[in-house]
Amino acid sequence: GQNIDQPTEMTATEGAIVQINCTYQTSGFNGLFWYQQHAGEAPTFLSYNVLDGLEEKGRFSSFLSRSKGYSYLLLKELQMKDSASYLCAVRDHSGNTPLVFGKGTRLSVIA
Amino acid sequence: DVKVTQSSRYLVKRTGEKVFLECVQDMDHENMFWYRQDPGLGLRLIYFSYDVKMKEKGDIPEGYSVSREKKERFSLILESASTNQTSMYLCASSLDRGPSREQFFGPGTRLTVL
Repeated sequence: GQNIDQPTEMTATEGAIVQINCTYQTSGFNGLFWYQQHAGEAPTFLSYNVLDGLEEKGRFSSFLSRSKGYSYLLLKELQMKDSASYLCAVRDHSGNTPLVFGKGTRLSVIA
Repeated sequence: DVKVTQSSRYLVKRTGEKVFLECVQDMDHENMFWYRQDPGLGLRLIYFSYDVKMKEKGDIPEGYSVSREKKERFSLILESASTNQTSMYLCASSLDRGPSREQFFGPGTRLTVL
């Protein structure tokens, strides 16, 4: 079966760094995605990892370890506008198979 | 910019009504998807389509059908709406080529069935 786990909620302070973890058990692997979703809005694409290692994009970085079935999203210099849900998703086969989504982590950034 | 639009942001229907949710994308994407999103359950795939007139069942297709007569349009149909179909419905599209083929989402339709 497919299983993607991430914490339900996290709270962090403005200006700090937060790491959101995601573990997955899927029948195959062909890429891991992170999406951001503000309340009442559509998810927007943040990052994509298919090889092990760190991908950096401004204040956001995403890490992947395929052998451990593990990824994290790192948010630096947190801002209030980063308060949102962060969704981890895996493509479990090659081609155009749909993404399998975790239930999301709701991040609250406090002053 | 990829744009995925959905016909309504909010919709209220009665039990037993036939409901049509429309999704249109303007970037010539081959793949289109319908999800529903519920608190504590995350995004669940209802149906998807790789091409015109093609459809595949997702994880929770019961009570739904879809139609893809044109490449840019993917419709979700609730044949006889029930209260347990009250949810946020999200449409997405993606290319069938490229390194990531990430999905682009529409703004969502919040459907309430009374």
